[in-house]
Amino acid sequence: AQKVTQAQTEISVVEKEDVTLDCVYETRDTTYYLFWYKQPPSGELVFLIRRNSFDEQNEISGRYSWNFQKSTSSFNFTITASQVVDSAVYFCALSSLYSSASKIIFGSGTRLSIRP
Amino acid sequence: GAGVSQSPRYKVAKRGQDVALRCDPISGHVSLFWYQQALGQGPEFLTYFQNEAQLDKSGLPSDRFFAERPEGSVSTLKIQRTQQEDSAVYLCASSSGENVGGEQYFGPGTRLTVT
Repeated sequence: AQKVTQAQTEISVVEKEDVTLDCVYETRDTTYYLFWYKQPPSGELVFLIRRNSFDEQNEISGRYSWNFQKSTSSFNFTITASQVVDSAVYFCALSSLYSSASKIIFGSGTRLSIRP
Repeated sequence: GAGVSQSPRYKVAKRGQDVALRCDPISGHVSLFWYQQALGQGPEFLTYFQNEAQLDKSGLPSDRFFAERPEGSVSTLKIQRTQQEDSAVYLCASSSGENVGGEQYFGPGTRLTVT
């Protein structure tokens, strides 16, 4: 079975604080892809990053960074120096080559609120 | 714009009515996906097209749901005899299909409310 768990339902921090969104996944496939999407109040899902299972190198993009650890089946997302515009629902997601190459399995999302 | 577009953005239907939701994918994108997103939940897969072929419809919740993409471009999701539990946001996504597990680009969704 494939599953994505985002245990944090809601997080609220003050602007400029760092915040980490947790994501734990389950899959029996050895080749898979992990994603993060952002859903602002407008509703449109915005692609942030894709990682394949063979690339455990952490990635940084501006204030965003991602920590992929296969040993713990986690793909956590950190926002450094958060801003009010970062307020949104963030989804972690999984797609595997053999089980469901055609679809993405989403977690239930973490609602992030950044207070000014 | 060059993104995925969906219409209508909002649809209110009385229980028992049929509805049709339209998706215009990014030009040239081979793959097209439909998802259903209930309030406070993550999107759930409904169906997948590669060009005009519907390769996976395992997520369609009942035979009242039907999707088509006759010319491999625009797609329509049809729901017959709508029920209250069909109320949700219906998201369409497209992908270039060049890579397995490639990123999907989502439209703004159609919010369906069944009264």
